Amino acid sequence: AQSVTQLDSQVPVFEEAPVELRCNYSSSVSVYLFWYVQYPNQGLQLLLKYLSGSTLVKGINGFEAEFNKSQTSFHLRKPSVHISDTAEYFCAVSETTSGTYKYIFGTGTRLKVLA
Amino acid sequence: SQTIHQWPATLVQPVGSPLSLECTVEGTSNPNLYWYRQAAGRGLQLLFYSVGIGQISSEVPQNLSASRPQDRQFILSSKKLLLSDSGFYLCAWSMTPRGNTEAFFGQGTRLTVV
Repeated sequence: AQSVTQLDSQVPVFEEAPVELRCNYSSSVSVYLFWYVQYPNQGLQLLLKYLSGSTLVKGINGFEAEFNKSQTSFHLRKPSVHISDTAEYFCAVSETTSGTYKYIFGTGTRLKVLA
Repeated sequence: SQTIHQWPATLVQPVGSPLSLECTVEGTSNPNLYWYRQAAGRGLQLLFYSVGIGQISSEVPQNLSASRPQDRQFILSSKKLLLSDSGFYLCAWSMTPRGNTEAFFGQGTRLTVV
């Protein structure tokens, strides 16, 4: 079974500084990867996804992620964060079981942007 | 366009009472449907998923059950709530049968068992 590891439970960063949120997944023949953002008491919103092709994926709100197959990583980056980026971020992988797909999530990283 | 509705937004229930959370999807047919629970510091735990009417797969044995009486309706239930059932419950859907698409989430239900 697939698993997703987000080693950093909390990441504080100053406004306009760069940030990287780390995500590692267990290896698989083929993998689809996702980053979601969650604001307090809301559902999850997709930031970006890797399905195939270019390993550098660009998403909404200036975020991007790089798929690294050899390191089984899919780290999320933003060159300059804003206060409004304060939220919880989840990395996820889709896993096929008996012809259907499940989404396995990491434990999340709480990004806190400081003024 | 597709939308997902989940209600209620918040719920406070006494221990031992029943539970029914409802989720409906509009604008698509035959979606995969999912129930997740989010507890503080534990990420999202997949509880149930469904590939069609009446087809439910359980991921974690527990005090909850799920049903899919209609193609775009997914219900999470319990006969008797426990304190440990408190949490944030999220419904989601995805296109079938391929996995190369994201899951779309509802706004969640905050359940507090007292």
